[in-house]
Amino acid sequence: QVQLQESGPGLVKPSETLSLTCTVSGGSISSYYWSWIRQPSGKGLEWIGWIYYSGTTNYNPSLKSRVTISVDPSKNQFSLRLSSVTAADTAVYYCARHGVTAYYDYWGQGTLVTVSS
Amino acid sequence: SYELTQPLSVSVALGQTARITCGGNNIGSKNVHWYQQKPGQAPVLVLYRDSNRPSGIPDRFSGSNSGNTATLTISRAQAGDEADYYCQVWDSSTGLFGTGTKVTVL
Repeated sequence: QVQLQESGPGLVKPSETLSLTCTVSGGSISSYYWSWIRQPSGKGLEWIGWIYYSGTTNYNPSLKSRVTISVDPSKNQFSLRLSSVTAADTAVYYCARHGVTAYYDYWGQGTLVTVSS
Repeated sequence: SYELTQPLSVSVALGQTARITCGGNNIGSKNVHWYQQKPGQAPVLVLYRDSNRPSGIPDRFSGSNSGNTATLTISRAQAGDEADYYCQVWDSSTGLFGTGTKVTVL
């Protein structure tokens, strides 16, 4: 059974960079797409971007200037960096997997990141 | 940019049928996926490619997609179906989620 687990600081200061890692267990990171999705408290889901195991990426146009997603197949991990954060970036951040069929079949449990000084 | 619109809330009596719509320009030409999210939990896939159920999802969940509207139907609604539901599509490799619908079972 594939499992995803997010990890990283739960508190980030304004203007700094948010960094999260998703560790994939129970399966290989190869041949799949891996996404970051976030959800502010009480609000809907927002897609941040995806990375293919080979390193190809695609980002939400509204966040593109601040987002970097990378992958480390040797560690079965992929990561998110979001720069110049503000309070509006406070959210639960999820990592998730999809294949060529394009639906998210596995999700991490989510991790709350708060942007505050 | 492409947008997906869902009703904010849908109420359904226990044992009755709930229909949740997802509106988008010519959404019938896209594959629509649906997720159920209960409080404090990650979303769970309940339908993929308009009307297909993953393993473990009861056949009370069904879907359709045509024209400008995709629909998730929950038949014989149970208390455990109370949750937020999101539709999802891809538009030029960009992921999009609907605005979300809170389903209340009365």
